[in-house]
Parts: sequence; structure tokens; C-alpha cells
Amino acid sequence: NAGVTQTPKFRILKIGQSMTLQCTQDMNHNYMYWYRQDPGMGLKLIYYSVGAGITDKGEVPNGYNVSRSTTEDFPLRLELAAPSQTSVYFCASSILLDYEQYFGPGTRLTVT
Amino acid sequence: QKEVEQNSGPLSVPEGAIASLNCTYSDRGSQSFFWYRQYSGKSPELIMSIYSNGDKEDGRFTAQLNKASQYVSLLIRDSQPSDSATYLCAVTAALIPTFGRGTSLIVHP
Repeated sequence: NAGVTQTPKFRILKIGQSMTLQCTQDMNHNYMYWYRQDPGMGLKLIYYSVGAGITDKGEVPNGYNVSRSTTEDFPLRLELAAPSQTSVYFCASSILLDYEQYFGPGTRLTVT
Repeated sequence: QKEVEQNSGPLSVPEGAIASLNCTYSDRGSQSFFWYRQYSGKSPELIMSIYSNGDKEDGRFTAQLNKASQYVSLLIRDSQPSDSATYLCAVTAALIPTFGRGTSLIVHP
């Protein structure tokens, strides 16, 4: 099992550009999450999903969108990138909503 | 606003000592509690989970939960230099996980 995979590993965006961060898991987990982590800070929940076709906002959803068309994939879309979105983004999955999470390797995004 | 508080450290302990990491949380309805370890530049990985009051031991790690005091801790016995990392406390309430900022642990030889 590859676990949770994320692409790309690094990306530099110009202000106003858009991009999609990809996340795939092969553990057949229903629950998936997107977090951002700023330096010296904990993880902030952006969006989460309890299954294909069902998503909900977390603590910091503004500026982001998600979709969940399959159990395996949970892409995160950034529209009109802003410097405040410079961060490391982690995708995670879990077998139950109130259970341990498995994290992907992260995407380091810089918006200039 | 749900809060999970951790001392950012760094906490410095000598090799072989016990490291004690602490976490407090604000939501009394919190149900699940987790400790994750994060090495610099890497993703978090689960160390311990605890769901009920008391102690839970796994090898050199012991998690302690006191819901009345809204307090969860992680003890690392016989600390090793490889334990040097940031330890994140995570608390789940109403099925939403909230992470603390993490405590940096340094184990020096």
C-alpha cells in the first residue's frame, strides 16, 4: 500500500493564479481531510469529507474548494492565490471520523 | 472557538530521562485524544491515541487523560536522540479534530 500520496511536492504560484493539489489514498478510507500548517503552528483544518460526494468546511475554508467524486481522491482547489496561502498542505485519511489519521507527505506552496 | 494549548518549548532532556509533554483543551465535549510526532520537514505520524480517563501505555510511551481537568499528557521514558521532534496534541470534538501548535522536544546525548 502506498498510503496517502500528494502531488506536487513543491509549487510556486504567482498572485492570482489557480491550482489543484492532488491527494489519493489506497486504504479504502471513507474519511479524508485537508490541513494547512504555517511555521511554528499546528495544523488547521480546511475541509473534510465523510465519503464520496460529501464534503464540509473546516476551520479555515476561505479561498479553497474541494470535491470528492471517488473514495480514493480528494483534490483541493486554490482559486486566485494570495500570499496568505503560502503554507505546507497536508492531506490525511482515516477509517473512522473519530480515529487516527494517516498523513500524506505534504505539498509546500509559495505564493509570490 | 475550540482551543488546544501546548507549551511550544523547546523541552530539552538528557538521553535516558523521562520527557513529559502536556496539553490542555477547552471543549468539555471532546471525545478522542491523539499524540502525533512530526520530524522537521516531514508529515505527522501517530504515536498514541486515548479515549478514556486514565493511563495508556505502549512501549516507552504513556498517554494520560484527565477529562475533569481537560488535560492530556504524553510521557516518553528512556528518551533517545531519535525522539527529538515536535509532538502535536490533537483533540476531537463533534467529530472535528483540532491540533495544538506542538511542543519541540530535544533529547541531547
